[in-house]
Amino acid sequence: AQKVTQAQTEISVVEKEDVTLDCVYETRDTTYYLFWYKQPPSGELVFLIRRNSFDEQNEISGRYSWNFQKSTSSFNFTITASQVVDSAVYFCAPPHRFGAGTTVTVRA
Amino acid sequence: DGGITQSPKYLFRKEGQNVTLSCEQNLNHDAMYWYRQDPGQGLRLIYYSQIVNDFQKGDIAEGYSVSREKKESFPLTVTSAQKNPTAFYLCASSITRDRVNYGYTFGSGTRLTVV
Repeated sequence: AQKVTQAQTEISVVEKEDVTLDCVYETRDTTYYLFWYKQPPSGELVFLIRRNSFDEQNEISGRYSWNFQKSTSSFNFTITASQVVDSAVYFCAPPHRFGAGTTVTVRA
Repeated sequence: DGGITQSPKYLFRKEGQNVTLSCEQNLNHDAMYWYRQDPGQGLRLIYYSQIVNDFQKGDIAEGYSVSREKKESFPLTVTSAQKNPTAFYLCASSITRDRVNYGYTFGSGTRLTVV
């Protein structure tokens, strides 16, 4: 069975702090894809990144970075120098499944 | 602009009534999906369709029905058999090649309330 776990329910930080969101994906599949999505207060989910299990290189996009380690089944997401606009719920998701989400609140 | 349109944004339904949520995309995506989100929870898959005239049940299909007569449209009907239909419903589409999902594009959602 597949299981995606986002152990952190809520994270609150002050602006400019870094935030790291944890995601653990348990599966027997040897090849798989994982995604991160952002859901701001408006409700619409926004695609952030897709990674496949073959690629363990860190990915950086602006203030966002991702660290994927197949050996520990983790796909962690870091927001550097957080801003108020980063306040949202962040979901880690294999295809068709979503974690419970981590609510990030960035205070000014 | 390409995207997914869900309508209406808010919907109120009386108990015992069926209601249909609209989802239209102009992205030329083959696959379309319906998810349900309850407060403080993640998304759960209701139905999905990889191609026109074909669809599969997701994890919580009971009390729901769909159709996929056109590539652009994937309406969801919430039937009276759905015991607890009040939720936020999200429609998504994706490019899928060789069974690989390249990431969803989501609509803005429909908030359904049973009164």
